[in-house]
Amino acid sequence: KQEVTQIPAALSVPEGENLVLNCSFTDSAIYNLQWFRQDPGKGLTSLLLIQSSQREQTSGRLNASLDKSSGRSTLYIAASQPGDSATYLCAVISGSARQLTFGSGTQLTVLP
Amino acid sequence: DAGITQSPRHKVTETGTPVTLRCHQTENHRYMYWYRQDPGHGLRLIHYSYGVKDTDKGEVSDGYSVSRSKTEDFLLTLESATSSQTSVYFCAISEIASGGRDTQYFGPGTRLTVL
Repeated sequence: KQEVTQIPAALSVPEGENLVLNCSFTDSAIYNLQWFRQDPGKGLTSLLLIQSSQREQTSGRLNASLDKSSGRSTLYIAASQPGDSATYLCAVISGSARQLTFGSGTQLTVLP
Repeated sequence: DAGITQSPRHKVTETGTPVTLRCHQTENHRYMYWYRQDPGHGLRLIHYSYGVKDTDKGEVSDGYSVSRSKTEDFLLTLESATSSQTSVYFCAISEIASGGRDTQYFGPGTRLTVL
């Protein structure tokens, strides 16, 4: 059974700092890995999708990397802003249903 | 906005009553999913569909049934709601694009409270 772990569970940083969120998964037989953002009481917003054949993806200040063989991904956020405060979820796509298996998330607070 | 709506957005019901949640998409995607989100458990798959009338169970399917009679609609039914089904329910859609890209897009969620 696929399991996804995210570390740390919570993170508080001052504005402007660069930061890294970590994600690990137990079964390397994945199709893709997806990072989401969730604001309190809201739905999930897709940030980045990395296909299993790729090593990284970038979107603006966000960069996600994937090391499929070791079962790890990182999300790098450059020059953090208070508007980046949210919960960040990592999920892998695997199985015949191509379903998402989620980590528990990292709750990020960026202090002004 | 990936063209996904869920209804109702909020519902309070009593134990033992039937409840149906609706997910509607305008994207004509083949795959549709129902997840529930609970503190301490994260998001977990309930049921999914890979085409009209083609559905299968996910990780936490007990107590739930689904139906998909049209591409655009995926219904989740709680035949007899229990307090343990109090949760936030999310619908998601996906299409496997060329090159194996299958980004999942999520609806806004339905907050269900079973008293």
